[in-house]
Amino acid sequence: EDQVTQSPEALRLQEGESSSLNCSYTVSGLRGLFWYRQDPGKGPEFLFTLYSAGEEKEKERLKATLTKKESFLHITAPKPEDSATYLCAVPPNSGYSTLTFGKGTMLLVSP
Amino acid sequence: DAEITQSPRHKITETGRQVTLACHQTWNHNNMFWYRQDLGHGLRLIHYSYGVQDTNKGEVSDGYSVSRSNTEDLPLTLESAASSQTSVYFCASSDLAGANTQYFGPGTRLTVL
Repeated sequence: EDQVTQSPEALRLQEGESSSLNCSYTVSGLRGLFWYRQDPGKGPEFLFTLYSAGEEKEKERLKATLTKKESFLHITAPKPEDSATYLCAVPPNSGYSTLTFGKGTMLLVSP
Repeated sequence: DAEITQSPRHKITETGRQVTLACHQTWNHNNMFWYRQDLGHGLRLIHYSYGVQDTNKGEVSDGYSVSRSNTEDLPLTLESAASSQTSVYFCASSDLAGANTQYFGPGTRLTVL
């Protein structure tokens, strides 16, 4: 069964304190790994898609990287507005356009 | 701008009642999805559709149904609401075949008393 595991479940940082979130997956033949941001009371918002090991993508203070077994979301010098839940997702081994989501990492950045 | 909307945003109903949650997208996407999100479980797929007249069951489809009569809408029906269906429901859509980006609506918070 395809599985996506995110760690840690929750992370508290001080403003400016860089860190990384982890997303490990067991699906073989990866057809993309997706990162989303979700603010309280809102729907997930798309951030990045990574397709191959070694690929990196950046957006403001966020950088996503991908290996054959996991992806990292690096947060450099975070600000309070980066506080959110970050979700990763992968398509299943077979099937069409569905995604399997991890349970997310809740990030809180304190001023 | 293209968007995906859900209504109502909040709903309180009673056990046994039929409830329909609406999802409307103006992206002209072929694919539409319904998820529920619960603490400790994350997002779980309920039903999905790859086009008009197409519907498929997801991971947690029992007690739910969908129908797709046009490209823009995928209503989710709870045939006989149960307290276990209290959750936040998200609709999403995506374009093209294969693994592709899903865009989410704002969600509907449903409480079944």
